[in-house]
Amino acid sequence: ETGVTQSPTHLIKTRGQQVTLRCSSQSGHNTVSWYQQALGQGPQFIFQYYREEENGRGNFPPRFSGLQFPNYSSELNVNALELDDSALYLCASSLGQENTIYFGEGSWLTVV
Amino acid sequence: QQQVKQSPQSLIVQKGGISIINCAYENTAFDYFPWYQQFPGKGPALLIAIRPDVSEKKEGRFTISFNKSAKQFSLHIMDSQPGDSATYFCAATKGNQGGKLIFGQGTELSVKP
Repeated sequence: ETGVTQSPTHLIKTRGQQVTLRCSSQSGHNTVSWYQQALGQGPQFIFQYYREEENGRGNFPPRFSGLQFPNYSSELNVNALELDDSALYLCASSLGQENTIYFGEGSWLTVV
Repeated sequence: QQQVKQSPQSLIVQKGGISIINCAYENTAFDYFPWYQQFPGKGPALLIAIRPDVSEKKEGRFTISFNKSAKQFSLHIMDSQPGDSATYFCAATKGNQGGKLIFGQGTELSVKP
């Protein structure tokens, strides 16, 4: 167990809807990174939050947004859901800018 | 280019054999190369990682070999066991990027008893 918890574990949304995914980082970790993992693919970096500020973003459109709270937990929000957004969304936490990161179990999102 | 290319896509090995998975990268600024293991329905778990100042790192049955000039690195699993059956991902990043990893496509390993 990595101590990184994500919720919900599974959810189904309709195209055009909005979704919020949540992540609690490992105790003491102040950096949270979000990844999207499509079926049969490697994880792709969405963005990272460090000390409540966005600290880097991958090649994802603005309808993917996030937040980090003072307790370092984080949310990933996706607006105007598309069918291709169906994937496993992974949260990973780390300490500062260390490269060693620890993943949660993920949230499976299905868009119909 | 930011790609990391991984091969093979799938691998079948007999119990006790050696599993070898290869990755190649393009960005010479990359300086941290981890391998992750992922079981179905689980998040990726860090197995072992290497930096380019060494050519090999071993942890138990897992060894990373690194060839800086060829821009390639590989994972060797010695004495492969059925419990090693999982999907393995290589990744790379540069500097202290704090977890902004670029992953390979993954290798599905099946170890037959």
